[in-house]
Amino acid sequence: GAVVSQHPSRVICKSGTSVKIECRSLDFQATTMFWYRQFPKKSLMLMATSNEGSKATYEQGVEKDKFLINHASLTLSTLTVTSAHPEDSSFYICSARGRPAGQETQYFGPGTRLLVL
Amino acid sequence: QKEVEQNSGPLSVPEGAIASLNCTYSDRGSQSFFWYRQYSGKSPELIMSIYSNGDKEDGRFTAQLNKASQYVSLLIRDSQPSDSATYLCAATSGGSYIPTFGRGTSLIVHP
Repeated sequence: GAVVSQHPSRVICKSGTSVKIECRSLDFQATTMFWYRQFPKKSLMLMATSNEGSKATYEQGVEKDKFLINHASLTLSTLTVTSAHPEDSSFYICSARGRPAGQETQYFGPGTRLLVL
Repeated sequence: QKEVEQNSGPLSVPEGAIASLNCTYSDRGSQSFFWYRQYSGKSPELIMSIYSNGDKEDGRFTAQLNKASQYVSLLIRDSQPSDSATYLCAATSGGSYIPTFGRGTSLIVHP
């Protein structure tokens, strides 16, 4: 099946620092990449959608200056949490949309667990 | 507002039984439907996709789509304790590639 990787899988950082999370589609080209966050026992919350070479589209209530998204190529997107605070601690999950099996389908990465101290 | 509704559960079934998970959607223009499984602390994993009315079978899983009634379901035959997870239903419409996710149904398969 299609593989989407995320790095790092887990990160602990001090308040005020920035954290970069990478998302790669390993065996297909992603037309679109999505970034989600999920709090414990809560549903997925879409943060932003990005297409290669264009600016990301952020969901209402998501600060674009705090959550910087760069979609450098058809296989790589990065999310940078700038000046992280404890309330940013969450499970961040990327997904990539593509046609590795013929139909446009969305595949999730394994997620990055962020803990801000 | 496009919505995908799921009963949060938990749905509890005995091992070996059929688990039936249901999902309804509000956007009549929805064309693609997906079921994801999410284990606690893990990211969602695609199980099934379905695009046309009727049933689609893959191993122990069967997805059923009824566009007239705007529901999609997932049947898991011979349920195993390892099937215990949250199952997410998602739908995309022809006009948007952004899927709308339901809140998920928690399934517990007890031995």
